[in-house]
Amino acid sequence: DQQVKQNSPSLSVQEGRISILNCDYTNSMFDYFLWYKKYPAEGPTFLISISSIKDKNEDGRFTVFLNKSAKHLSLHIVPSQPGDSAVYFCAAEPIQGAQKLVFGQGTRLTINP
Amino acid sequence: KAGVTQTPRYLIKTRGQQVTLSCSPISGHRSVSWYQQTPGQGLQFLFEYFSETQRNKGNFPGRFSGRQFSNSRSEMNVSTLELGDSALYLCASSLQGYTQYFGPGTRLTVL
Repeated sequence: DQQVKQNSPSLSVQEGRISILNCDYTNSMFDYFLWYKKYPAEGPTFLISISSIKDKNEDGRFTVFLNKSAKHLSLHIVPSQPGDSAVYFCAAEPIQGAQKLVFGQGTRLTINP
Repeated sequence: KAGVTQTPRYLIKTRGQQVTLSCSPISGHRSVSWYQQTPGQGLQFLFEYFSETQRNKGNFPGRFSGRQFSNSRSEMNVSTLELGDSALYLCASSLQGYTQYFGPGTRLTVL
């Protein structure tokens, strides 16, 4: 049972435009959400997180939106840069700090010059 | 501050053997978690240690075990290796209750 789903395996965006990556979850007990970026042969790199008490969190070019009623979150990258090309994973925790992340399958983002 | 380090980076074993992977967390981090990444199952949680005690465990068979030492370094052991154990094994560390930071992983190939 996939509790965290990223339905788009891949996404292609032109450099300078907005990249929007989506994630859906089924477990209403999830309380804390994170986005990680991963290059081949490297571990995931933390990007940004959001608690369920918020609906938006921003850090530089990265913004995460959370819609609890729809059990949906999204990551916006503006403007997109070639170095953003990587696989992006959405992850969730039942309680912030539970240290037991449930990951989505990932979305491969390609930024075209 | 140095990041999470994992050794070895690559490992080749044959079915039936056992393997031990090592993880050194970021200095000051006392929580260490292990994850398995495979093409079919994605990233899955194995277990988490804090202060030398296993606090959380994922849905993996007993062949997968781990431990943590007093300096927070952790080891993961897989006994009686199967072909399906071929994967990237990732270690993550964190201050208690905060974001997990991942190491580069150990790529295990079972022949």
